[in-house]
Amino acid sequence: QQQVKQSPQSLIVQKGGISIINCAYENTAFDYFPWYQQFPGKGPALLIAIRPDVSEKKEGRFTISFNKSAKQFSLHIMDSQPGDSATYFCAASPQGGSEKLVFGKGTKLTVNP
Amino acid sequence: DADVTQTPRNRITKTGKRIMLECSQTKGHDRMYWYRQDPGLGLRLIYYSFDVKDINKGEISDGYSVSRQAQAKFSLSLESAIPNQTALYFCATSALGLAGKDTQYFGPGTRLTVL
Repeated sequence: QQQVKQSPQSLIVQKGGISIINCAYENTAFDYFPWYQQFPGKGPALLIAIRPDVSEKKEGRFTISFNKSAKQFSLHIMDSQPGDSATYFCAASPQGGSEKLVFGKGTKLTVNP
Repeated sequence: DADVTQTPRNRITKTGKRIMLECSQTKGHDRMYWYRQDPGLGLRLIYYSFDVKDINKGEISDGYSVSRQAQAKFSLSLESAIPNQTALYFCATSALGLAGKDTQYFGPGTRLTVL
């Protein structure tokens, strides 16, 4: 059973465009939603995270939008750059912090110059 | 120096061989994880350990075993490697952070090929 569903599997965007990656979950006990970024040949690294008490969090060109009623959250990359080309994973963690993260299957983003 | 190191970085082996992948961390974290990454399948959890005396199976533990030798060391073993264990393997560590939530820190990965 896949607890966090991520789409699309791959995404191609032109430089300067907006990249949007979506995730959906079923478990209402999830209360922490991070995004990880992975460059080729490297391990994933935390990019940005959100708690469900806010609907949006912005850090530079990266924004998480969160819809609690729909149980969906998304990553928006504004003014996408070739250096943003990477694989992005959404994840979720249940309340309490004693449980491990559950990851989506990843989205490979390619930003063309 | 990297906070989470994995050895070896690349390994080619033959079917039936025993293989050990090692992970060390200098972050002082209690929690350590082993993941497997395959194209289109994302990160799948093999085993995890919340402290030295705690070992737990993850989503895909069959064919793998682990050893937590110390707080800083967590090893993954393939007792008898088979070709479908060819994958990229990641070690990660974490500690309860802000509001008790995990942030996982990943190593650089080990690319394992089983012929």
